[in-house]
Amino acid sequence: SQTIHQWPATLVQPVGSPLSLECTVEGTSNPNLYWYRQAAGRGLQLLFYSVGIGQISSEVPQNLSASRPQDRQFILSSKKLLLSDSGFYLCAWRDRGKETQYFGPGTRLLVL
Amino acid sequence: GENVEQHPSTLSVQEGDSAVIKCTYSDSASNYFPWYKQELGKRPQLIIDIRSNVGEKKDQRIAVTLNKTAKHFSLHITETQPEDSAVYFCAASRTGGGNKLTFGTGTQLKVEL
Repeated sequence: SQTIHQWPATLVQPVGSPLSLECTVEGTSNPNLYWYRQAAGRGLQLLFYSVGIGQISSEVPQNLSASRPQDRQFILSSKKLLLSDSGFYLCAWRDRGKETQYFGPGTRLLVL
Repeated sequence: GENVEQHPSTLSVQEGDSAVIKCTYSDSASNYFPWYKQELGKRPQLIIDIRSNVGEKKDQRIAVTLNKTAKHFSLHITETQPEDSAVYFCAASRTGGGNKLTFGTGTQLKVEL
């Protein structure tokens, strides 16, 4: 069966510091991968999605970037964090040919 | 792009009553409509979904209805229980372009004893 991992689970970072969040999927090949952000008490905002290795589509222009160095690995990065980057970051995957997206456990980021 | 509106933002019901959450979408090409339940501090979990070639789908106490003409879909929960308390999100997507999901703003459901 498929599983999705995210780490770290929680992170406290100072403003201006770099960021790297990792997401990996097991038990599937060539999935579509997604990064979402959820601000406290708010809905889910799609940040990036990827349909294959090295293929990244950005939905919201901001100081974040994403990379997909391997088929089942998706990384969210920033060179300099802002206070507004605080939130719950969720990675999701989808099997090609199917519509359903499944979410990872998330990373809770607090920027101080 | 797609815009999904969700109402109400909060809903309080007595245990055993029914709860209804409604969503509207703007893109007539959207053809997939999932509903997710998110408990406090947890990831969203898919509870039911419907495709545009179906008008209604039911799974035990949960049902979803879709009106393509009016571009709205609804979640119905019958015989609510305290464990149904959570935030519920509707979403919509269309085939292609990564099948991106556009989410509604969420409904906080509270089931009171």
